[in-house]
Amino acid sequence: DIQMTQSPSFLSASVGDRVTINCKASQNINRYLNWYQQKLGEAPKLLIYNANSLQTGIPSRFSGSGSGTDFTLTISSLQPEDVATYFCLQHNSWPYTFGAGTKLELK
Amino acid sequence: EVQLVESGGGLVQPGRSLKLSCAASGFTFSDYAMAWVRQAPKKGLEWVATIIYDGSSTYYRDSVKGRFTISRDNAKSTLYLQMDSLRSEDTATYYCARTAGTGPDYWGQGVMVTVSS
Repeated sequence: DIQMTQSPSFLSASVGDRVTINCKASQNINRYLNWYQQKLGEAPKLLIYNANSLQTGIPSRFSGSGSGTDFTLTISSLQPEDVATYFCLQHNSWPYTFGAGTKLELK
Repeated sequence: EVQLVESGGGLVQPGRSLKLSCAASGFTFSDYAMAWVRQAPKKGLEWVATIIYDGSSTYYRDSVKGRFTISRDNAKSTLYLQMDSLRSEDTATYYCARTAGTGPDYWGQGVMVTVSS
């Protein structure tokens, strides 16, 4: 199975900060990497698909980059409503595998 | 609006069975592959099983092969997960997810399954 190493596991930042979260795959997954946001008690929400494509309806402050094994999710200016857990998913090969998640809190 | 609503969870003894359902609405169910994903308490997410749009092919993670069966009823826009020979390590919140060529795009809110005597 492809291992997804996500960092950091916890992040505290202030409103307006630029925030980055990383995922590293144990082998080449091309661009088959998605980012999700999950708020407490809610269903996960797709933010970015195929490494850098913004899902419809997601604010433009969210962006993704990377290919191969190294990927980054960036929030350009953190907003209070962005408090959530973020996780990555590789869908290059079966079984699809997830990063362990990053819990983002306001400082 | 796409909606996925899981049901059928609960407390079950080891070795027993449980069947989860996921009612879909807001899209043409028969156009999409569907999947079950789970998250054990304080653990990461695990992909459990996938079924393609017409039900003709299915995929399972190794730890559930031979015990779990994913199926769908396109006429009822409903996805199922039959779970047999349940183990304590199957305790988790189970999510259903719509899966497009770009990976899973919509998820349900999840249903809790607890396997304990």
